[in-house]
Amino acid sequence: AQSVTQPDIHITVSEGASLELRCNYSYGATPYLFWYVQSPGQGLQLLLKYFSGDTLVQGIKGFEAEFKRSQSSFNLRKPSVHWSDAAEYFCAVASNTNAGKSTFGDGTTLTVKP
Amino acid sequence: EAEVAQSPRYKITEKSQAVAFWCDPISGHATLYWYRQILGQGPELLVQFQDESVVDDSQLPKDRFSAERLKGVDSTLKIQPAELGDSAMYLCASSFPGQGAEQYFGPGTRLTVT
Repeated sequence: AQSVTQPDIHITVSEGASLELRCNYSYGATPYLFWYVQSPGQGLQLLLKYFSGDTLVQGIKGFEAEFKRSQSSFNLRKPSVHWSDAAEYFCAVASNTNAGKSTFGDGTTLTVKP
Repeated sequence: EAEVAQSPRYKITEKSQAVAFWCDPISGHATLYWYRQILGQGPELLVQFQDESVVDDSQLPKDRFSAERLKGVDSTLKIQPAELGDSAMYLCASSFPGQGAEQYFGPGTRLTVT
């Protein structure tokens, strides 16, 4: 069975600082990997996804993530955080037979200090 | 920009009562998903439709939950009878069919069972 671990429940960074959110997955084959963002009272929005090819994936809002098969990781990064990035971030994994059936991690809440 | 619509946004009900949620996907999206998100956790897929057919409902508690998408467009998720543990956010998402298609999420229905 597939699973996702997001080790950091809550992260606080200063505005303008760099950000890295960790994600570790468990899946027997090559997974489909996703990062979503959820602002309070809103649904989830897809930031980026990895299916195959280049292991460094660019997404919206200046985010990127790197797939590292040897470490079973898919960490999300942003070089300079803006106050509007404060939200909850979810990593998800899906099988390559049903990309729609995603298993989500429990999320990391990002707080941005002025 | 087209969005996934959900109603109601908030619902308070007493345990043992019946409750229903409605979702209208983005026009043309053949695939529809219902997720349950318990506070502090990531979304969990309850049911996935392809047009009017159920693709996956392995995590749907079928003794009390039911879902339908009769004409392959909008969908209803029902709980009868509701239990205290059903308090959660219920999210609907839709996508075009096919592997890798992006899921678009609605704002969700926040259910509180008292």
